[in-house]
Amino acid sequence: GEDVEQSLFLSVREGDSSVINCTYTDSSSTYLYWYKQEPGAGLQLLTYIFSNMDMKQDQRLTVLLNKKDKHLSLRIADTQTGDSAIYFCAETLFSGAGSYQLTFGKGTKLSVIP
Amino acid sequence: NAGVTQTPKFQVLKTGQSMTLQCAQDMNHEYMSWYRQDPGMGLRLIHYSVGAGITDQGEVPNGYNVSRSTTEDFPLRLLSAAPSQTSVYFCASSYSPTGEQFFGPGTRLTVL
Repeated sequence: GEDVEQSLFLSVREGDSSVINCTYTDSSSTYLYWYKQEPGAGLQLLTYIFSNMDMKQDQRLTVLLNKKDKHLSLRIADTQTGDSAIYFCAETLFSGAGSYQLTFGKGTKLSVIP
Repeated sequence: NAGVTQTPKFQVLKTGQSMTLQCAQDMNHEYMSWYRQDPGMGLRLIHYSVGAGITDQGEVPNGYNVSRSTTEDFPLRLLSAAPSQTSVYFCASSYSPTGEQFFGPGTRLTVL
């Protein structure tokens, strides 16, 4: 099967930058996403990037896309304790049934040390 | 807007029992999906729907049924619960197949 790969854990000190990495499977994926899940809650979209972009910046968040290596990263600047959560990388795959399916990685648990 | 709502929040079943997890959205989204989340497994797609009357299987459909009689509602039925179905279930909806998915708060199901 096809897998979106992420490291499972990341620990950083408050104020440092966090970088969460992801490798995806399908070079034809047109949209790539980062979702955040706080404890006991559903997922919320953090940011996304179109496949024709290399970088997208949104306040403290920077997304980098390397299509050649199928590598996606999320950088969080000035990481705060409120950023502690699980971060999921996701890609959109064409399902062949006239629709698309969102395929998620297993998630990276970010722990921020005060 | 309430967004995506799911009921119940928690449920305990005995092996062999059946039940329906409810999901509703008030954003007039055509696309709705059911996922299950297990430790170390991420989210896996169970079933999805691209509009009223149209459903299709995802990655792990066995043991689950869905129907979509209205745009708003997308219930997930467990026909005969098994311990392997112990999980957290999330419903999601989106305006378009590649658009932002809005997730419900989840249903935590335990099958004994």
